[in-house]
Amino acid sequence: GNSVTQMEGPVTLSEEAFLTINCTYTATGYPSLFWYVQYPGEGLQLLLKATKADDKGSNKGFEATYRKETTSFHLEKGSVQVSDSAVYFCALTPNNAGNMLTFGGGTRLMVKP
Amino acid sequence: GAGVSQSPSNKVTEKGKDVELRCDPISGHTALYWYRQSLGQGLEFLIYFQGNSAPDKSGLPSDRFSAERTGGSVSTLTIQRTQQEDSAVYLCASRLGAPGGTEAFFGQGTRLTVV
Repeated sequence: GNSVTQMEGPVTLSEEAFLTINCTYTATGYPSLFWYVQYPGEGLQLLLKATKADDKGSNKGFEATYRKETTSFHLEKGSVQVSDSAVYFCALTPNNAGNMLTFGGGTRLMVKP
Repeated sequence: GAGVSQSPSNKVTEKGKDVELRCDPISGHTALYWYRQSLGQGLEFLIYFQGNSAPDKSGLPSDRFSAERTGGSVSTLTIQRTQQEDSAVYLCASRLGAPGGTEAFFGQGTRLTVV
């Protein structure tokens, strides 16, 4: 079956540091890939997505590139802010029939001023 | 409505009681998911509905858990004879039914506390 593995947290960074949160997946075919974010006290919301190999999703300064050869979708940001403190979830859904949405375990990011 | 609505937002129940959690998905979304999130933890898949197909129940942790979706819209998750380990936030999400990269929209969740 499909699965998503992401680095365990918490990840603690100082403001303006570079962020990478690793995500790798196992899936049949070529899934669509997502990063969702959960800010403190809020619900999950989509941060960015990529639907085919070599696509780059970007939003709010965050980027992730769909790498088929390494089955990865690592999340990066060049300069984090305190307001980026949240839990980040990598997820996938198949592009063929079916809509199962599979999540990784989540990575908590804490950014200190 | 404008988003996915879940009710109640908070529920405190005594051990052994039954509870029902409700999810109103976005109109027109044929895919509906239930997840459970324990404090500070990741998302645990529970059940998935897609249109009129049989639901994928592979994530339900025990036969005390069941869910239905009436008329392809509202869904109810029922937990019978609740236990303390059932305490968690129960999240519902919906998506358009087309396969592929459409966004899932999440409700705010129901925080269940079993005392």
